[in-house]
Amino acid sequence: GAVVSQHPSWVICKSGTSVKIECRSLDFQATTMFWYRQFPKQSLMLMATSNEGSKATYEQGVEKDKFLINHASLTLSTLTVTSAHPEDSSFYICSARDYNAYNEQFFGPGTRLTVL
Amino acid sequence: RKEVEQDPGPFNVPEGATVAFNCTYSNSASQSFFWYRQDCRKEPKLLMSVYSSGNEDGRFTAQLNRASQYISLLIRDSKLSDSATYLCVVISNTGGFKTIFGAGTRLFVKA
Repeated sequence: GAVVSQHPSWVICKSGTSVKIECRSLDFQATTMFWYRQFPKQSLMLMATSNEGSKATYEQGVEKDKFLINHASLTLSTLTVTSAHPEDSSFYICSARDYNAYNEQFFGPGTRLTVL
Repeated sequence: RKEVEQDPGPFNVPEGATVAFNCTYSNSASQSFFWYRQDCRKEPKLLMSVYSSGNEDGRFTAQLNRASQYISLLIRDSKLSDSATYLCVVISNTGGFKTIFGAGTRLFVKA
């Protein structure tokens, strides 16, 4: 199947700093990428849908000024957690949609963020 | 009512057992259905797509019932390595492409 990479795989930062997470589709072009957050023992929660060349669509309750999304190319989307706080500590997973694979979504390996 | 509902489990079964998971969805216009598997602290991985005609992949069988709006996953001859969380995923395209994940069903297969 298609491959999606994420970087970094884990990050520990101080409260108040900003953290950028990259999501890349390695062998296909993804006009749409998705960003999810997963807290322990909970399901994946969609944060936003990232569309190449246009603004991201955020889910209700997700602050767009805090979680900045940029989808500048067909293979790269970035999520920046600005002024991170301990409550932002979570597992962030991106996925990319492959239109040629019956709407299947391929997930990145995730980024574990810990804010001290 | 949640858009996609699953029994959270956990299901504790012995090796070799047959176990079935169900999932219901609320949007009758939903188009695509999948089962994903997620191991602890890892990303979800596609297990299989679900079609109206049903589909089988080795020990795994998935069924879709559009009239009753539920999908199922049957695992035969359970292995220890089947222990994971199984996520029901429903995709709809009403008002925009949207993927909804169920909360997952936890499965423990014991020796």
